[in-house]
Amino acid sequence: DAGITQSPRHKVTETGTPVTLRCHQTENHRYMYWYRQDPGHGLRLIHYSYGVKDTDKGEVSDGYSVSRSKTEDFLLTLESATSSQTSVYFCAISNYYGYTFGSGTRLTVV
Amino acid sequence: RKEVEQDPGPFNVPEGATVAFNCTYSNSASQSFFWYRQDCRKEPKLLMSVYSSGNEDGRFTAQLNRASQYISLLIRDSKLSDSATYLCVVNEERTGFQKLVFGTGTRLLVSP
Repeated sequence: DAGITQSPRHKVTETGTPVTLRCHQTENHRYMYWYRQDPGHGLRLIHYSYGVKDTDKGEVSDGYSVSRSKTEDFLLTLESATSSQTSVYFCAISNYYGYTFGSGTRLTVV
Repeated sequence: RKEVEQDPGPFNVPEGATVAFNCTYSNSASQSFFWYRQDCRKEPKLLMSVYSSGNEDGRFTAQLNRASQYISLLIRDSKLSDSATYLCVVNEERTGFQKLVFGTGTRLLVSP
């Protein structure tokens, strides 16, 4: 087990508020990813990181920012939450065997 | 055209049946391939990698056809516990970085 934890597990927030999701890993993996999963779209990459302070955009990055100030933590921020950002968010790390995902954060924007 | 396409199903099969899923991918430069399993309201988990020579893990067999750009998963002797969504995943590998592209998944329901 790669030791990935996401917090919070569930969150309801209001439109226009900022929201930060946290991903924490305990095994010093270099690469970390944030995905969102929506019906009919599958998993889509939001942002990824290839090291401390090294991040890049994925295919659905608009409205999201990330930060990685320590190897173990990768934060995803919704600057001003919108209803279209209601989704399940998964963090992942990659190693030789593929991806290992966290348990997900179910975010509802009302 | 989606980069990775799967039949969403659901595939309804009785216990003990054999079922096969196919998946097609559009990027001919894709390097590696996987099947992930996702249970309802859970995270995806790696089921198996897919190699050009084909590979088998117990009741599961995965095959890759690079010429036709499709990947298959065969499940023999289906169990109730096989009920899940199966995600076809392609790695558009770049140097030192894995960019996985996910299909939307095929849902399997195994009934008694």
